[in-house]
Amino acid sequence: GAGVSQTPSNKVTEKGKYVELRCDPISGHTALYWYRQSLGQGPEFLIYFQGTGAADDSGLPNDRFFAVRPEGSVSTLKIQRTERGDSAVYLCASSLTWRGVNTGELFFGEGSRLTVL
Amino acid sequence: EDKVVQSPLSLVVHEGDTVTLNCSYEVTNFRSLLWYKQEKKAPTFLFMLTSSGIEKKSGRLSSILDKKELFSILNITATQTGDSAVYLCAVVRGSGSGGSNYKLTFGKGTLLTVNP
Repeated sequence: GAGVSQTPSNKVTEKGKYVELRCDPISGHTALYWYRQSLGQGPEFLIYFQGTGAADDSGLPNDRFFAVRPEGSVSTLKIQRTERGDSAVYLCASSLTWRGVNTGELFFGEGSRLTVL
Repeated sequence: EDKVVQSPLSLVVHEGDTVTLNCSYEVTNFRSLLWYKQEKKAPTFLFMLTSSGIEKKSGRLSSILDKKELFSILNITATQTGDSAVYLCAVVRGSGSGGSNYKLTFGKGTLLTVNP
């Protein structure tokens, strides 16, 4: 597609449930990122993929959070045993790399708004 | 830990006014500073700045970086209601030892409201 696509756009779930958030990056972008944005805050880094591998998952808050990108394109962010504090907008972004260096300009999706009741 | 501070946190102006948004930063091995506009959910890219003193311009928006004083400003002239948004500033580290040339550290943003 022309831009980064994220689904669902909104997800309401109950505390303790499992959720999956999907991201389809811009075609040809090898770098993919997940960020989380809470109300009144800037986006916070969660995880970065270069191709299929998670090059940096240091932003994942705990082991309930996991992300995959098995074929180097679509990525899924998985959250187990959701808690109310997980409520936020989860933003996915992709970018080009040149000689292995990120160009710096990230293209963001519309985000998935997660509400945990 | 990298740090980005934006000011003011919110600003209300009338159409036609000129505004200046501020971004100061502390980052190890600075590589670049980026400005994004966030109207609803998706931040959209405005500028990337890597060198001091060189103004980037796009229509009524312009931005400049001061690497000595560690700050950047975003100017918007002749504001319009469509400029109402959150403006986010972010920094990227270089790819030197310990560098993370892919990870953006964002400020909290400035909420700009332009009234007719």
